[in-house]
Amino acid sequence: KAGVTQTPRYLIKTRGQQVTLSCSPISGHRSVSWYQQTPGQGLQFLFEYFSETQRNKGNFPGRFSGRQFSNSRSEMNVSTLELGDSALYLCASSPDSNTGELFFGEGSRLTVL
Amino acid sequence: AQSVTQLDSQVPVFEEAPVELRCNYSSSVSVYLFWYVQYPNQGLQLLLKYLSGSTLVKGINGFEAEFNKSQTSFHLRKPSVHISDTAEYFCAVSRIQGAQKLVFGQGTRLTINP
Repeated sequence: KAGVTQTPRYLIKTRGQQVTLSCSPISGHRSVSWYQQTPGQGLQFLFEYFSETQRNKGNFPGRFSGRQFSNSRSEMNVSTLELGDSALYLCASSPDSNTGELFFGEGSRLTVL
Repeated sequence: AQSVTQLDSQVPVFEEAPVELRCNYSSSVSVYLFWYVQYPNQGLQLLLKYLSGSTLVKGINGFEAEFNKSQTSFHLRKPSVHISDTAEYFCAVSRIQGAQKLVFGQGTRLTINP
């Protein structure tokens, strides 16, 4: 069974630009969550989607948004990039059992210059 | 709200020695507890989880953890470590409702010396 796939793995943007990151969950998983990992703030929850609906949301500004498609694939978008948005963005999928066991992708490393 | 404190940011140990990585949590509601491992340039992998039942849980790669409700702790242990255990370890909690929203500790970097 293929794991969680995130694209792109690495990207460099400049301040003010926007970025879209993609995540393909494990086949059969309908929940997709996004986390931001930085050296200073650690791992922080962004949002979770289930069956195309945002089910949970973290404490991030509205510049961070996401969506989920009918095939469970998910995208997250960050608009008006700031230097502090430089981070590893991790996507995780899980089955419907709601036990909190997440399967993570390798992440998309975003550098904002 | 939930919070997690990992008491050691770095733990160096010698190969084949035992190790304990400490984790304390705070929550006003019942939670699930997890330990995840992150190898360099990779995502996180679940080591073990506590959902309910026996307070001693066993995970992959010979790791185990004990849930102590009175001390609100969930320490991770391994009796004999290997070089390949070098990684960053994260303790996490989630509410039982909305379990996909994990709150992570700051991580403990485990370094194994030969």
